[in-house]
Amino acid sequence: KQEVTQIPAALSVPEGENLVLNCSFTDSAIYNLQWFRQDPGKGLTSLLLIQSSQREQTSGRLNASLDKSSGRSTLYIAASQPGDSATYLCAVDNTDKLIFGTGTRLQVFP
Amino acid sequence: ETGVTQTPRHLVMGMTNKKSLKCEQHLGHNAMYWYKQSAKKPLELMFVYNFKEQTENNSVPSRFSPECPNSSHLFLHLHTLQPEDSALYLCASRPQGLAGTYNEQFFGPGTRLTVL
Repeated sequence: KQEVTQIPAALSVPEGENLVLNCSFTDSAIYNLQWFRQDPGKGLTSLLLIQSSQREQTSGRLNASLDKSSGRSTLYIAASQPGDSATYLCAVDNTDKLIFGTGTRLQVFP
Repeated sequence: ETGVTQTPRHLVMGMTNKKSLKCEQHLGHNAMYWYKQSAKKPLELMFVYNFKEQTENNSVPSRFSPECPNSSHLFLHLHTLQPEDSALYLCASRPQGLAGTYNEQFFGPGTRLTVL
């Protein structure tokens, strides 16, 4: 059974720092991995999707990597801003079924 | 805005009520999903519909009854719910991918359900 873990559960950093969020999964037979952002009480916003054949994807200040063989993905956020404060979720796609981690709650303070 | 809308945004119901949640997308997507997000638990998949056909039921209790009349609309009918069913219910959709690939899912804003 696929299990997804995210570390750390919460993170508080000053503005401007570069930071790394971690996601690990137990079954490497995935189709893709997706990173989402969720603001309090809101739905999910897709940030990046990495297909299983890819190693990384970049969008602006965000870079996500995928190492399928070791069951790991990282989300790198460069030059963090207070507007980045949110919960970040990773999800692996197992045959049209997204399995989510519990998320990392990020706070960036000025 | 992702192009996926959900109504109502908030719902309070008693355990004997019957209510329905609605999800709509006009993105041309062929797959639609219901997810449940409870406090302190990971988001969990409930149902999957592909081309209006249910392809996944993740052992969801029968007091939750989904309906997909067409590829643009998805409903979740609720009856005799329990207080522990209080949660954020999220709908998502995605376009058909090439063989062997799956595209990203687009999520609606969710319905915050409280069962008294």
